[in-house]
Amino acid sequence: QVQLVQSGAEVQKPGASMKVSCKASGYTLTGHYMHWVRQAPGQGLEWMGQINPKTGGVKYAQKFEGRVTMTRDTSINTAYMELSRLTSDDTAVYFCARVPHLSGSGSYFFDYWGQGTPVTVSS
Amino acid sequence: EIVLTQSPGTLSVSPGERATLSCRASQRVSSGYLAWYQQKPGQPPRLLIYGAVSRATGFPDRFSGSGSGTDFTLTISRLEPEDSAVYYCQQYGSSITFGQGTRLEIK
Repeated sequence: QVQLVQSGAEVQKPGASMKVSCKASGYTLTGHYMHWVRQAPGQGLEWMGQINPKTGGVKYAQKFEGRVTMTRDTSINTAYMELSRLTSDDTAVYFCARVPHLSGSGSYFFDYWGQGTPVTVSS
Repeated sequence: EIVLTQSPGTLSVSPGERATLSCRASQRVSSGYLAWYQQKPGQPPRLLIYGAVSRATGFPDRFSGSGSGTDFTLTISRLEPEDSAVYYCQQYGSSITFGQGTRLEIK
C-alpha cells in the first residue's frame, strides 16, 4: 500500500535551515508529482511547491521563492524539502503530499499525505 | 492567485441532521478542479472529494460535492459524531490554493 513516511520533528534557531525528508513506499517516486504543504499551529493549509521526481523540475509558491529547495533521490524513493533563513513564522507542521499521476502541470489534488513533520523555530 | 473563501467558519449540527459547507472562489475554477479534504486533530488531511463531485475511496455516500464556476458546496447528510473535523477546499485549476477551512462540530 502507498505510504509517505516523513522525518521526525525538528527544533531550529532563527536564521538556520531545515530539511525534511519524505520516503515513498508502495509505488515508484518517479511516477507521481510530489508537493509540500505546511500548516502553522491552529491555522489552515499553505501550498509551498512541487517537484517532478522524474525530471527534478520544480515549481515554488512565490512566497517561498529563494528560500525553498525541493529535491529527490530516486535511488531511495525519497523527496526532500529544505527551507532556509528560518523565522518564527516558519513554525508549522510540514506535509509531503502525492498527486495521482505525473501528467500535466502537476497542479492536482492530493491522494496521499505524509504524517507531517513538526518544525519549531525558536531561539 | 485564486482566493477560496469558506463559510461558515464553524458549524455546529446535531447527529442525524445535514451540514452544508460553502467554498467560494475569487475567479472561476476551470474544469471544476476543486477538491475537499477532511482533517481530524493530529492527522494529515484526507482526500474526500475531487473534481468537485467525485467521492474518494473510503467515504460513504453521505458525503457529496457539487458546484461549478466560483461556487462549490460540500454536503454531509445523516451526520455522525465521527464527522467532526475541519474541512478544507482546494482548487487546482490555476496553481494550488486552499480555503481557510470550516470546523464542523457535532453537538
